Amino acid sequence: DAMVIQNPRYQVTQFGKPVTLSCSQTLNHNVMYWYQQKSSQAPKLLFHYYDKDFNNEADTPDNFQSRRPNTSFCFLDIRSPGLGDAAMYLCATSSVRASTDTQYFGPGTRLTVL
Amino acid sequence: GQQLNQSPQSMFIQEGEDVSMNCTSSSIFNTWLWYKQEPGEGPVLLIALYKAGELTSNGRLTAQFGITRKDSFLNISASIPSDVGIYFCAGQLWASNFGNEKLTFGTGTRLTIIP
Repeated sequence: DAMVIQNPRYQVTQFGKPVTLSCSQTLNHNVMYWYQQKSSQAPKLLFHYYDKDFNNEADTPDNFQSRRPNTSFCFLDIRSPGLGDAAMYLCATSSVRASTDTQYFGPGTRLTVL
Repeated sequence: GQQLNQSPQSMFIQEGEDVSMNCTSSSIFNTWLWYKQEPGEGPVLLIALYKAGELTSNGRLTAQFGITRKDSFLNISASIPSDVGIYFCAGQLWASNFGNEKLTFGTGTRLTIIP
């Protein structure tokens, strides 16, 4: 089935140790999004790629970077994770080729920072 | 960032009861979405609404896009245990330059079913 896949589902890292989360999609969608979600809160958009164009949210810390090497894959790099970066990280995709297209989310990666 | 006003914040109901939740905004959207999120999982799209006044059903779920384009409600009839989770509304405003269609999320409604 076409879907949004996130790996790993659970990631444990040490304070300050770089970590990379990955997202892949089989939907052939041209937009990919990364969200951060903390407990019982709504997802917060970090950035998104429209094709190869990177769009950063104004309040996303520099500690968060992203790469999109091709249509199917997108990576979230956290250069120096702090305790406050422990959260669920959600990837989403959308087609935006028609006004009826909307965002589909992956299952998320739960990041723990020790 | 901006959030939609979603109510109630939490609901405790018995199995078989009907559920109603709503979202309001001070600004208009041209798409309203309802997602359900279970613990440890990503949000799953339940219903998407594209036209003001639109009423759409998906099984036991019914959602409506308000006429003013500033509100939406979601009803769940005859609740069952698997309905447990957090329900988020989200508004989307399409721009003429595709590529900037961000979602504005509601604060979520946590649904608990009492045995």
